[in-house]
Amino acid sequence: RKEVEQDPGPFNVPEGATVAFNCTYSNSASQSFFWYRQDCRKEPKLLMSVYSSGNEDGRFTAQLNRASQYISLLIRDSKLSDSATYLCAVRDAGNNRKLIWGLGTSLAVNP
Amino acid sequence: DAGVTQSPTHLIKTRGQQVTLRCSPKSGHDTVSWYQQALGQGPQFIFQYYEEEERQRGNFPDRFSGHQFPNYSSELNVNALLLGDSALYLCASSLTSGNRYEQYFGPGTRLTVT
Repeated sequence: RKEVEQDPGPFNVPEGATVAFNCTYSNSASQSFFWYRQDCRKEPKLLMSVYSSGNEDGRFTAQLNRASQYISLLIRDSKLSDSATYLCAVRDAGNNRKLIWGLGTSLAVNP
Repeated sequence: DAGVTQSPTHLIKTRGQQVTLRCSPKSGHDTVSWYQQALGQGPQFIFQYYEEEERQRGNFPDRFSGHQFPNYSSELNVNALLLGDSALYLCASSLTSGNRYEQYFGPGTRLTVT
């Protein structure tokens, strides 16, 4: 099993839809989780950090499920500008300076 | 507040050549991580520098080496370039102390090996 796994998608949704992505992780001792957004041929940009049960920022909500070892990202009222790849990163429990990355989930929001 | 900067933005090299990429971390950050990202893939961890030493290394050959300077800036060197080294090279900076550990990325260097 990979350390961090994401459904690669692509997810195609209409404007205004609600969409959710999951990211599973293998190490139950992991404590810190991150969602990044990456536009085509650009660098990843930090979207949200999760250190406890969850985090919310406007239309974006991240929730952590420790029992099932996954973190989700919910996007409400999708905008065309939300089209991007969403990367999940998990802080390595054995080496707190290192992040372990998923391969990303591709989202396309259509008019 | 200056963000993470990288140079050059684009580079074209020939197989067998050597390349040096540079990174300046975000103001106040002391740790630099380097990643390789191929098209359609997630970032692959190369190594991380803290206090001018390599602290952690990913699954990359010794052709990949680096350095961190006293001002926290860093270099990534790749020797004997292969076609497969063509990728976006990302530098991320972070602050090791404290409970938060977000990494912030620079714009990347796109390396093409021909």
